[in-house]
Amino acid sequence: EPEVTQTPSHQVTQMGQEVILRCVPISNHLYFYWYRQILGQKVEFLVSFYNNEISEKSEIFDDQFSVERPDGSNFTLKIRSTKLEDSAMYFCASRMRANTEAFFGQGTRLTVV
Amino acid sequence: AQTVTQSQPEMSVQEAETVTLSCTYDTSESDYYLFWYKQPPSRQMILVIRQEAYKQQNATENRFSVNFQKAAKSFSLKISDSQLGDAAMYFCAYRSAAKTYGGSQGNLIFGKGTKLSVKP
Repeated sequence: EPEVTQTPSHQVTQMGQEVILRCVPISNHLYFYWYRQILGQKVEFLVSFYNNEISEKSEIFDDQFSVERPDGSNFTLKIRSTKLEDSAMYFCASRMRANTEAFFGQGTRLTVV
Repeated sequence: AQTVTQSQPEMSVQEAETVTLSCTYDTSESDYYLFWYKQPPSRQMILVIRQEAYKQQNATENRFSVNFQKAAKSFSLKISDSQLGDAAMYFCAYRSAAKTYGGSQGNLIFGKGTKLSVKP
């Protein structure tokens, strides 16, 4: 069964460093998302991506964040200068058509020290 | 803005029994989608069930069913014959249909979750 794949599963980084979280969405999906879940809290929307551009972003998704789909298969989230409060689980999700459900990856646990 | 509220931070059920998890939401829209996602200790988000607001019939997936009350803006999840593997965090989520088909691409709005424990 096709699935969304995220790498790495866990990343530890020093405050101020850049990190790139990688996702391979399901191959025929057209809509892509990043969500964040701080430990013990609810899942929060960061950004949606469609037709090679950002279609919506939340207040969390400030200038420190960026997304790319560089090669038609990978979908990346970059945090330019990590802060302690960026420590969270980051989920990638993809969706095939407008009225279908989103499938989530297994998440990347980011720890900023 | 839409909001999703799960008023039960934790619930417990005996194996083989039935449990109902509550979810209410607030929206001014008439067309939307509602979902229940399961997050086991592995922390992956797994879709359990979905409901389209325009459908009056409650969705059912094997042991999982919903009670969708559109006027009351309520969307509860019933788990029948609970199994040990059902133990997880359960998140209720909302997605705007207008956003799904419109300019933005329909992100999910989640509740805070309910932690379900299953006792053997």
